[in-house]
Amino acid sequence: GAVVSQHPSRVICKSGTSVKIECRSLDFQATTMFWYRQFPKKSLMLMATSNEGSKATYEQGVEKDKFLINHASLTLSTLTVTSAHPEDSSFYICSAIKGRAREQFFGPGTRLTVL
Amino acid sequence: AQSVTQLGSHVSVSEGALVLLRCNYSSSVPPYLFWYVQYPNQGLQLLLKYTTGATLVKGINGFEAEFKKSETSFHLTKPSAHMSDAAEYFCAVSWPENYGGSQGNLIFGKGTKLSVKP
Repeated sequence: GAVVSQHPSRVICKSGTSVKIECRSLDFQATTMFWYRQFPKKSLMLMATSNEGSKATYEQGVEKDKFLINHASLTLSTLTVTSAHPEDSSFYICSAIKGRAREQFFGPGTRLTVL
Repeated sequence: AQSVTQLGSHVSVSEGALVLLRCNYSSSVPPYLFWYVQYPNQGLQLLLKYTTGATLVKGINGFEAEFKKSETSFHLTKPSAHMSDAAEYFCAVSWPENYGGSQGNLIFGKGTKLSVKP
């Protein structure tokens, strides 16, 4: 199998602070990871593609200066929500691509609440 | 533009009844097709997928789906619903990387919440 973890699973922060979310592939290496955002009772929307050793590719409408992505190793990508505001409250889910088959495995998600 | 449509945001069935969740895609080229299940406050679990080969795909938990190119559909079925099947189900598509600018990411439908009545 393939396991992807996210940390923290749940975070509550004050408006204006920054929050870092980690996505780790535990038993495989992933050159590509994706970050998705899920609003309540809504589908998942791709935010950005994280590539190890290079800059992330952001989807249209996603502010790269607000959602900082770092993919420093083959097993770790981080998403930092800078100067968070209540509208950033959401469920953030990462996924990692494994192997030649390019199968995508999802993390359990991080619930961010900005007060 | 490519898109995924799931008919019915909420489907309710009785325990033991047939489950049918509908998914249609819009694309000039047949994509890879996926069904995921999501339990509250959890990530996504892959139920099944179609990439090539046999168009009837069997997945976990007794679910199956059939790719019908002529109908651009990939409906999910299960002969007999269990209470534990109550969850949110997402249909998703992707294309090979570098095809039409694809990065290999998934495009999701809006989801269908399945309720199972005792």
